[in-house]
Amino acid sequence: QVQLQESGPGLVKPSETLSLTCTVSGGSIRSYYWSWLRQSPGKGLEWIGYIYYTGSTNYNPPLKSRVTISVDASKNQFSLRLSSVTAADTAVYYCARNMVGAASGAFDIWGQGTMVTVSS
Amino acid sequence: DIVMTQSPDSLAVSLGERATINCKSSQTVLYSSNNKNYLAWYQQKPGQPPKLLIYWASTRESGVPDRFSGSGSGTDFTLTISGLQAEDVAVYYCQHYYTPPYTFGQGTKLEIK
Repeated sequence: QVQLQESGPGLVKPSETLSLTCTVSGGSIRSYYWSWLRQSPGKGLEWIGYIYYTGSTNYNPPLKSRVTISVDASKNQFSLRLSSVTAADTAVYYCARNMVGAASGAFDIWGQGTMVTVSS
Repeated sequence: DIVMTQSPDSLAVSLGERATINCKSSQTVLYSSNNKNYLAWYQQKPGQPPKLLIYWASTRESGVPDRFSGSGSGTDFTLTISGLQAEDVAVYYCQHYYTPPYTFGQGTKLEIK
């Protein structure tokens, strides 16, 4: 079955850029939307944005100026970049698969999550 | 943005009893053209990612036990767990997917009494 795995640094300095990659295994990245979400004690679960395998994106407005989500279909991977991070960006970051069709805003498969701490 | 508000924040229920969790959206998530409610429920156990339980407000995801059921329409929704089992201890979240940005409720922590 399809599995997702996040990878990337667990510690990022303030003002720098957070970079994470999600590798999709057991299935193709094609024909689906793929999302990044995060979870922190202070803000709960927050959707960051999604990307279609063709490259089209949609971002959560409060983060839009700092977020870039990209896809590499040849590697079955998609990535997150979040610039100018502060302590408020400390969270567990999840990648997830969006459901197909009209329910594409729900998330049926999640990665295990990776903790990212912003600290000097 | 649509704000999702859950109640209660926590509850304790005896094994075998019924647990009821409520979720209210700040505006309708019922799409009139297809008469579907764009509302999902998730279960999250400690150290694990959220797990999709229900979508379209009442459709169980494949493999989810039938003791989990969802109901409601428009702005008011309910997740019911009938015959609570020990493995149901978790935090439960509702989420709308009516239109981006998708937002979640604050979560309801379910414990055994």
